[in-house]
Amino acid sequence: QVQLQESGPGLVKPSETLSLSCTVSGGSISTYYWSWIRQPPGKGLEWIGYIYYTGSTNYNPSLKSRITISVDTSKNRFYLKQTSVTAADTAVYYCARWVATISAFDIWGQGTMVTVSS
Amino acid sequence: SYEVTQPPSVSVSPGQTASITCSGDKLGDKYACWYQQKPGQSPVLVIYKDTKRPSGIPERFSGSNSGNTATLTISGTQAMDEADYYCQAWDSSTVVFGGGTKLTVL
Repeated sequence: QVQLQESGPGLVKPSETLSLSCTVSGGSISTYYWSWIRQPPGKGLEWIGYIYYTGSTNYNPSLKSRITISVDTSKNRFYLKQTSVTAADTAVYYCARWVATISAFDIWGQGTMVTVSS
Repeated sequence: SYEVTQPPSVSVSPGQTASITCSGDKLGDKYACWYQQKPGQSPVLVIYKDTKRPSGIPERFSGSNSGNTATLTISGTQAMDEADYYCQAWDSSTVVFGGGTKLTVL
């Protein structure tokens, strides 16, 4: 059974770079698309972007200038880098598996809270 | 950019039918799916490709999508169904979420 686990710092200073990783266990990352989604406290879900194991990416246009998603198939991990963070980037960040044939996320990680504060 | 809209809240009595709508331009021409999220938990897919239920999702959850509106229907609503529900569509290679609907069972 495929499981996803996010990891990374829980606190990031304003203007710095947020870096998270997602480890895929119980299956190979070399299939499907893999995505990042965030949820500010008390608010709704926002798609950040996704990556295919080949490295092909697609990003939310509203975040595209600050986002890089990458993948390391040898480690079965994918990553999120988000530059120039502000308090508005404070959120729970989820990684999830995107199934293109059904246009939906079928497996989600437990999420990791990231706070942007000095 | 494409947008989908949900009502902020819906209330239902136990045992009754709850309907949550999701509206977007020609949404019926795209696939819609639905996620359930309980407090402190990750979202769970409950409906995909408009009407399909993943394994393990109770039969009381059903979906439809036509015209500009997708609908999630919960028949015989139970207290355990109280949660936030999000619709999601895919348009021009981007993923779009609705703002979410809080379902209250009272």
